[in-house]
Amino acid sequence: AQTVTQSQPEMSVQEAETVTLSCTYDTSESDYYLFWYKQPPSRQMILVIRQEAYKQQNATENRFSVNFQKAAKSFSLKISDSQLGDAAMYFCAYRSPSQTQGGSEKLVFGKGTKLTVNP
Amino acid sequence: EAQVTQNPRYLITVTGKKLTVTCSQNMNHEYMSWYRQDPGLGLRQIYYSMNVEVTDKGDVPEGYKVSRKEKRNFPLILESPSPNQTSLYFCASSPRPGSEAFFGQGTRLTVV
Repeated sequence: AQTVTQSQPEMSVQEAETVTLSCTYDTSESDYYLFWYKQPPSRQMILVIRQEAYKQQNATENRFSVNFQKAAKSFSLKISDSQLGDAAMYFCAYRSPSQTQGGSEKLVFGKGTKLTVNP
Repeated sequence: EAQVTQNPRYLITVTGKKLTVTCSQNMNHEYMSWYRQDPGLGLRQIYYSMNVEVTDKGDVPEGYKVSRKEKRNFPLILESPSPNQTSLYFCASSPRPGSEAFFGQGTRLTVV
C-alpha cells in the first residue's frame, strides 16, 4: 500500500521569505498523481498544485512550485514570497491511476505540516 | 457555482442515535468519497463511489454506511454512532481518475 510522509509537523517563515515543505512517498507504481492541498483555519481543503508522475517538468502555480524527484520519491512544495494568507495546514497527497489500471479511487494523505507566517 | 455541499456543518449527538450527513455535488462528477480527519493522522478514506450504485470500502469503513442512488448525492450514514467517531468529515468528488478532488466544507461531528 502507498504511504505518504511529511516529516515536518510544523514550519515557520517570515513574510516575503521562501519556505519549502517536504513530502516523501512510497509506491511500486510507475504512474500516479501527486497533490498539495492547503487547509486554512476555515477547514476548507484547497488544491494548491498537482503533478503527474509521467511529466518530468515540475508543476508551478504562481508563487507555489514543486520539486518532484521521481527516483527519490520526493515531492516538496516551495512557497515564494510568503504571505500571511499562506498560513495553514498543508497536506501532501498521492493518487493511484484509474482502477482499470489496478489503482484505486483514493487519495492517500500525509499527516500534514502546519505553516506559520510571521509578519 | 461549482461546489460540493455538506450538511450539517456542525453536529453534536449522543451515542447510538442514528445520523446522516448529506453530500451533494453539482459538477456531474462520477467519483465521490468520504474522508475523516483526525489530529496527527491526516485524512483517511471511509468509503468511495465510482458511479451510481457502485460503492466500495476505503481504509476505515467500520461503523459507516453509504449509498449512491443518484449521481449528485452521496450521504454518509452512522447507524449507531460511538465517541470514537468524533471527527471532522469531508466529502469529495472528482470528474475522472487521477484528477484532483473537490472537497466540501467539512462536518464537525461530536458524539457524546
